[in-house]
Amino acid sequence: RKEVEQDPGPFNVPEGATVAFNCTYSNSASQSFFWYRQDCRKEPKLLMSVYSSGNEDGRFTAQLNRASQYISLLIRDSKLSDSATYLCVGTQNNFNKFYFGSGTKLNVKP
Amino acid sequence: GAGVSQSPSNKVTEKGKDVELRCDPISGHTALYWYRQRLGQGLEFLIYFQGNSAPDKSGLPSDRFSAERTGESVSTLTIQRTQQEDSAVYLCASSYTGTGSYEQYFGPGTRLTVT
Repeated sequence: RKEVEQDPGPFNVPEGATVAFNCTYSNSASQSFFWYRQDCRKEPKLLMSVYSSGNEDGRFTAQLNRASQYISLLIRDSKLSDSATYLCVGTQNNFNKFYFGSGTKLNVKP
Repeated sequence: GAGVSQSPSNKVTEKGKDVELRCDPISGHTALYWYRQRLGQGLEFLIYFQGNSAPDKSGLPSDRFSAERTGESVSTLTIQRTQQEDSAVYLCASSYTGTGSYEQYFGPGTRLTVT
């Protein structure tokens, strides 16, 4: 079983929609979590960290549920420019190991 | 400031040749990671360097793969006797593992094509 698992999608949504992705992790010892965004044929870029209390950055909200071992990303008022693959990442061993999910593809359509 | 840089950006090589890929991390970042990403796939961890500690080589797929890092600076990933299945984008990332900041920052990658 992979350390971090994601639904590959694609999620096809209209502009302005709200969309949510979940990501599950298998190791309860996982310490911190991040969401990265990867555009086609580009490197991953950090979108946001995920804190236990939940955090928001503009249209983006991240949540961590340690009891159920999942992380979520909510995107409100989707823009065409949000189209990308979203990677869920967990860390272990004092941040020595980063485990990337395979990514969830989002297509925002006009 | 400058981000993570990698060279070359593209490399086409013949099966059986050796290749060397280079990564320059962000200055001051103590940790450096190499990943492989095949077309349409997720990131596959290869190797991790942290300061002067022994590297974590647990992700290297075979003994044809090796990597070195000089102190807390440049790293090179070497693939010997390349095979067609080595074709992928090789991504390098660095992070600062001091208090409070552990995010990884990626370079643009080296796209390797083995013919």
